[in-house]
Amino acid sequence: AAGVIQSPRHLIKEKRETATLKCYPIPRHDTVYWYQQGPGQDPQFLISFYEKMQSDKGSIPDRFSAQQFSDYHSELNMSSLELGDSALYFCASNSRDPRRNEQFFGPGTRLTVL
Amino acid sequence: GEDVEQSLFLSVREGDSSVINCTYTDSSSTYLYWYKQEPGAGLQLLTYIFSNMDMKQDQRLTVLLNKKDKHLSLRIADTQTGDSAIYFCAERGYSSASKIIFGSGTRLSIRP
Repeated sequence: AAGVIQSPRHLIKEKRETATLKCYPIPRHDTVYWYQQGPGQDPQFLISFYEKMQSDKGSIPDRFSAQQFSDYHSELNMSSLELGDSALYFCASNSRDPRRNEQFFGPGTRLTVL
Repeated sequence: GEDVEQSLFLSVREGDSSVINCTYTDSSSTYLYWYKQEPGAGLQLLTYIFSNMDMKQDQRLTVLLNKKDKHLSLRIADTQTGDSAIYFCAERGYSSASKIIFGSGTRLSIRP
């Protein structure tokens, strides 16, 4: 079965650089979520989109922005990177169908900021 | 606010049962999940339970929910070395668009 795809899987950047993370949800899933998991931490919700509109916002820094495109894939744009942005970034997707309650996670993008 | 708490560590002998406990605060939580994360890997959904259920069994996994006490547990029967991982309890509200709130995770280690 198709899963959530994230790219790249690993990314190394320097401070003050920018990064773009991509997420391709499971086919027919219309809702995408972004989570950040710091070292030894639990995943923290950043932002979510439904039908290309932002549906919820969590602890996402102002330096970050995200959007969902017409094909439902999403991109997380991160600017002025800081050392503390080093983390595993997960994308998750689910369908709005109330009979389908699972939120499936991608493998994550590991961002290292030097 | 929403909060999910778990103990940080659990060590069991191979072949024994593991019981991982979790408490949550949001009484409007509708879905409660257990995710497994192996070192350096992603989050694998193990199982979930609706808040109107008391128990769900899936092969070696049994989830018990005490809604009155807002207590959730995951029992792994016949624990194997491959079960070594961090287990996250998580909750989500009614809307299928709701974000997931994770607990801090319980690191399960298996003794021979």
